[in-house]
Amino acid sequence: QKEVEQNSGPLSVPEGAIASLNCTYSDRGSQSFFWYRQYSGKSPELIMFIYSNGDKEDGRFTAQLNKASQYVSLLIRDSQPSDSATYLCAVKRRYSTLTFGKGTMLLVSP
Amino acid sequence: GAVVSQHPSWVICKSGTSVKIECRSLDFQATTMFWYRQFPKQSLMLMATSNEGSKATYEQGVEKDKFLINHASLTLSTLTVTSAHPEDSSFYICSAREIAGGPADEQFFGPGTRLTVL
Repeated sequence: QKEVEQNSGPLSVPEGAIASLNCTYSDRGSQSFFWYRQYSGKSPELIMFIYSNGDKEDGRFTAQLNKASQYVSLLIRDSQPSDSATYLCAVKRRYSTLTFGKGTMLLVSP
Repeated sequence: GAVVSQHPSWVICKSGTSVKIECRSLDFQATTMFWYRQFPKQSLMLMATSNEGSKATYEQGVEKDKFLINHASLTLSTLTVTSAHPEDSSFYICSAREIAGGPADEQFFGPGTRLTVL
């Protein structure tokens, strides 16, 4: 059974702070790791993906992957109220389908 | 960027009726389309994977005779919920993929369809 675990939150951070979102996965064969943002009542939108150990930065977002620990995280720097949403972690093997976690709700207060 | 549309965005129907949801890739050809269902405060659950011109592959526990999927062209897939019941009320989301196998293997999500069965 492939599982992706996330703390449901909510994670509350003040505006301008760094938000740290974490995800663990059970399938050691997973090769690609994705972070999606989902606003209430909307469909997910891709923030970024990572497939190599280490850090990957894109603007205010940094994804971190540690395959040995089966752990992937997303850091959001200079958090804004507009970042308030549910963040979904998803993993997949090559040529396979995405497995999503339940998501972590992030609340950024002005 | 790649755009996927869904129609309708929301639908309310009576128990026992059938509902069809359309998913279209607007600016690319989708070799594969996926159908997900999401209940409140739950994760996206994959229902089925469809490839153009072939039968859909359903996930375990999803009734293929109840959730009919047709992927007749590279830009259109439809999901028909037959004899809908209140427990089928959910948020149905499709996604489309152009090419498989790369590290990103990106899926582009449609805006979703909110189904309410009375």
